[in-house]
Amino acid sequence: AQKITQTQPGMFVQEKEAVTLDCTYDTSDQSYGLFWYKQPSSGEMIFLIYQGSYDEQNATEGRYSLNFQKARKSANLVISASQLGDSAMYFCAMREGPYSGAGSYQLTFGKGTKLSVIP
Amino acid sequence: EAQVTQNPRYLITVTGKKLTVTCSQNMNHEYMSWYRQDPGLGLRQIYYSMNVEVTDKGDVPEGYKVSRKEKRNFPLILESPSPNQTSLYFCASHSMGQNTEAFFGQGTRLTVV
Repeated sequence: AQKITQTQPGMFVQEKEAVTLDCTYDTSDQSYGLFWYKQPSSGEMIFLIYQGSYDEQNATEGRYSLNFQKARKSANLVISASQLGDSAMYFCAMREGPYSGAGSYQLTFGKGTKLSVIP
Repeated sequence: EAQVTQNPRYLITVTGKKLTVTCSQNMNHEYMSWYRQDPGLGLRQIYYSMNVEVTDKGDVPEGYKVSRKEKRNFPLILESPSPNQTSLYFCASHSMGQNTEAFFGQGTRLTVV
């Protein structure tokens, strides 16, 4: 079974609108971390936001927020007021707890969502 | 400036010709790893290292080797490249801990003909 599922291969959003990118995860650990990365067409991986499994509040970083629903095992990224520069691939990733074994610090990625912002 | 540096950025090679992609980080991170990115598959871990002289296989290790002789360097070696290793490769590093951000190199686009 996939550990990280991103069900939207591609999405379009109008400039200045908000958009939600979906991410669901699968783990039996109680302690884990969830990350979102952005990959523009130039190829580099840019860290956006982090949410810990024990964090009470949803993480926010500027225009990015993470809608964390632990019981549903979802960690959706919300981008408010979309800009043309937000057009990119977005990856959700998970790092499971430190007691999961030898690969416990591995970042497991979803397959990504390609976001296109329309002027 | 904190960074992970990979070289080369682009490489075209022929089947069977050994190559090395270098990776260096200046953040004193214990954990380093290599990923390959293929369309529709996301990033998959090839090898990782939790410290000097400690390396282990990730999800797709076949056809690759790594070494960690110094903390800052983690080269990826393809002893006999094949066309199915044509991909975009990333080196990443982070400190030990569940919530630490991983820093990525700029990527190496490898084509094996």
